[in-house]
Amino acid sequence: DIQMTQSPASLSASLEEIVTITCKASQGIDDYLSWYQQKPGKSPQLLIYDATSLADGVPSRFSGSRSGTQYSLKISRPQVDDSGIYYCLQSYSTPYTFGAGTKLELK
Amino acid sequence: EVQLQESGPGLVKPSQSLSLTCSVTGYSITSSYRWNWIRKFPGNKLEWMGYINSAGSTNYNPSLKSRISITRDTSKNQFFLQVNSVTTEDTATYYCARWDWELDYFDYWGQGVMVTVSS
Repeated sequence: DIQMTQSPASLSASLEEIVTITCKASQGIDDYLSWYQQKPGKSPQLLIYDATSLADGVPSRFSGSRSGTQYSLKISRPQVDDSGIYYCLQSYSTPYTFGAGTKLELK
Repeated sequence: EVQLQESGPGLVKPSQSLSLTCSVTGYSITSSYRWNWIRKFPGNKLEWMGYINSAGSTNYNPSLKSRISITRDTSKNQFFLQVNSVTTEDTATYYCARWDWELDYFDYWGQGVMVTVSS
């Protein structure tokens, strides 16, 4: 199985910061990487697919990038509504595997 | 609009089977896409369990392969999850979700159903 090591596990950020969450794949995954946001009591919602493509309706303050086998989600000037848990997912091969999640709190 | 809705018992006894239904509206499960089950454990870990595709073929997570079965009823546009010999470690919120295999992402999810395994 491909392991996705996600960090940090949690972070608290201000509305003026740039938030960066990373996922490192245990092997190459050819950009088969998506990012999801989950809020309490809700199902995960797609933010980014193919590592860098912004999903329809997602604000442009969200962006994705890659360096080697490390993938990053960046939130520029996050809003209070961006609080939640963020997950990466690799779909290069089954079993699809998620990162452990990053809990984001906005202060 | 595509909608998915999970249903099933919220409490299952250890060693018994867990059975859930995902009812799909707004799209035929025989037309395209892959129809998945995913679960979220207490502590927030997400696990992909498996899928059934539009042709009826299945793909399961090897960690569950001996205990899991995903089937469907095309006349009702539903697909099902069965997990046998459950333990307390199967306590989780279970989601069904549609996988867009062309664009490689989960585009529609159910709201989730919490299942507790306890005697």
